[in-house]
Amino acid sequence: KAGVTQTPRYLIKTRGQQVTLSCSPISGHRSVSWYQQTPGQGLQFLFEYFSETQRNKGNFPGRFSGRQFSNSRSEMNVSTLELGDSALYLCASSFADEQFFGPGTRLTVL
Amino acid sequence: KQEVTQIPAALSVPEGENLVLNCSFTDSAIYNLQWFRQDPGKGLTSLLLIQSSQREQTSGRLNASLDKSSGRSTLYIAASQPGDSATYLCAVTQFAGNNRKLIWGLGTSLAVNP
Repeated sequence: KAGVTQTPRYLIKTRGQQVTLSCSPISGHRSVSWYQQTPGQGLQFLFEYFSETQRNKGNFPGRFSGRQFSNSRSEMNVSTLELGDSALYLCASSFADEQFFGPGTRLTVL
Repeated sequence: KQEVTQIPAALSVPEGENLVLNCSFTDSAIYNLQWFRQDPGKGLTSLLLIQSSQREQTSGRLNASLDKSSGRSTLYIAASQPGDSATYLCAVTQFAGNNRKLIWGLGTSLAVNP
C-alpha cells in the first residue's frame, strides 16, 4: 500500500502571497489531519477532515483553511503569508486510532 | 489543559547502550499514547501505540510502557544502533465530545555514536 504523499515537498514564497499544499492519504483512510511543525513550538494541530467535513480545528487564524475531496485527498491553503508561517507542514491519515504521516512540505516565506 | 513534556531534550550515547526516553503528561484522561520517530527534515514514523487500557507495547528492540495514574510513558530502546539516531516524539490523544485531538511533546533528539 502506498503511504501518505504530500506535494510539493519544498516551497518558497514571499510575504503576502498565498499557498496551497496537497495531501493524498493512504487508500481507504478517510481522516486527514494537518499539522504545522516549527523548532520552537513543535507540532501544532491545524485541522482534521473526515468524509469531506472539517471535524476538528486547532487555534490558527482564519488565513489557514483546508478542504477534503470525495476521494479523501486534502488541500490546505494559507493566504496572506507571514514570515512566521515558515514551517514544515505535515499531514497524517488514519483509519482507526493510529496516524500515518507524509514526508511534509517545507514552506519558506521570505 | 493537557501538557506533554519530554525529557531529556537531547541525548548522546555510544552504540550498544540500552536507553530510556521519558514522556510525561498532566491530564490522565487520555485515549491513547503514541511514540513516533522523525528523521531530519522528514515526516513522522509511528513506532508504538498504547491504548489507555494497556500497560505496554513491544516492537523488536522497542518497548513502550504507560502509567496513566502517574502521567508517564517510557520508550525503552535495547542495544542502540547508529540507525536509531533521530528525534523521538510522543503524543497523547484526547477527546472533547467527538473531537479528537493529539497533544505533542517537543521530542528527544537522540544521537547514537558508533
